[in-house]
Amino acid sequence: GEDVEQSLFLSVREGDSSVINCTYTDSSSTYLYWYKQEPGAGLQLLTYIFSNMDMKQDQRLTVLLNKKDKHLSLRIADTQTGDSAIYFCAEIHFNQAGTALIFGKGTTLSVSS
Amino acid sequence: DAGVTQSPTHLIKTRGQQVTLRCSPISGHKSVSWYQQVLGQGPQFIFQYYEKEERGRGNFPDRFSARQFPNYSSELNVNALLLGDSALYLCASSPAFGTDTQYFGPGTRLTVL
Repeated sequence: GEDVEQSLFLSVREGDSSVINCTYTDSSSTYLYWYKQEPGAGLQLLTYIFSNMDMKQDQRLTVLLNKKDKHLSLRIADTQTGDSAIYFCAEIHFNQAGTALIFGKGTTLSVSS
Repeated sequence: DAGVTQSPTHLIKTRGQQVTLRCSPISGHKSVSWYQQVLGQGPQFIFQYYEKEERGRGNFPDRFSARQFPNYSSELNVNALLLGDSALYLCASSPAFGTDTQYFGPGTRLTVL
């Protein structure tokens, strides 16, 4: 199928690490993305990884990609209350019909102090 | 630099009416995509436009249409509104057609009564 799967909820304490997991469907996807959505807002691009990479680090964010298992994860180090939001994993489908991002349903991250 | 802008922010319509949503891409970006995000779900791809031509269409009925203007701004039109059209409509821009990263605007919240 065409579903990108994510766990729906994650609850962590401030200062801990958060790991949000995603499985995607299209092994030919060239880029995989993580977006953040705060209540009532649009999507903020957090980071992305090219499919020929295993890992990408960007300040507190670490993305791991396992192409064999089509598994993507986002680790947030030293999680803060401001990180509370919904996190979406997305894969890109590019074909003759155009370019479309295919999103998961999102993981709600709740950070308690 | 201004990001993607959308208008209006909120909109309330009744069933059967028609609505037009507007989007201005990031300066220099030539591609605009539209997504629908129903509450509790990830965004779903509606259209992609590049250089004023439709380049991609998602699985949406013909009541949905769009166009792109010479300045690369775009409008999304929805006719004969249904209750199920209530959603956050997101516009994303990217520099060109293909696998370029998409940057999202804040969205237009449409409520159909």
